[in-house]
Amino acid sequence: EAGVAQSPRYKIIEKRQSVAFWCNPISGHATLYWYQQILGQGPKLLIQFQNNGVVDDSQLPKDRFSAERLKGVDSTLKIQPAKLEDSAVYLCASSLETGFVDEQYFGPGTRLTVT
Amino acid sequence: LAKTTQPISMDSYEGQEVNITCSHNNIATNDYITWYQQFPSQGPRFIIQGYKTKVTNEVASLFIPADRKSSTLSLPRVSLSDTAVYYCLVGFRRDNAGNMLTFGGGTRLMVKP
Repeated sequence: EAGVAQSPRYKIIEKRQSVAFWCNPISGHATLYWYQQILGQGPKLLIQFQNNGVVDDSQLPKDRFSAERLKGVDSTLKIQPAKLEDSAVYLCASSLETGFVDEQYFGPGTRLTVT
Repeated sequence: LAKTTQPISMDSYEGQEVNITCSHNNIATNDYITWYQQFPSQGPRFIIQGYKTKVTNEVASLFIPADRKSSTLSLPRVSLSDTAVYYCLVGFRRDNAGNMLTFGGGTRLMVKP
């Protein structure tokens, strides 16, 4: 079974520039998550989709971050404009609705450096 | 959301059993306890999940006392490859709306030869 795919793996941009990350979840997984992980900290949930609807985006800085999940499959996360404090690893995860607290499958992440 | 407290770091030696305890005093009736493992430059990976008593799988055991205010992840006979960060999560599954889980700071386990 193919895992969660993310691209790019690394990105370096200057502050005030924009950047986009792409995620392809495991086939058939209804739920998709975007996390931000700053070095030395645990992952912080930014947004959670159920199919193509947003379930939770309470921690998404909506003035600069946006995300969409078209057709309930792939998803993109955009930052515009980027700030220095956005330097982090952006993780995408997906889960299959099973009736229990679902196991999340994580992608390798995109390491963003803002200079 | 239930807040979790775990040790920041632990050291062990190859072949030993490692127990990592997580405190979650305000756990709710619907909450499950889940542990994830994360290696450097990788996303977290699910290890084990439980609701009460004891759960065991091929890689770990999870012990949950009757009051459920804490839980202990037990890794039998660790090897160098078990060096990673271990996260304890407490949360529930909302009907028709996916999971409600929060990662804390995790425990950095260092296994020495």
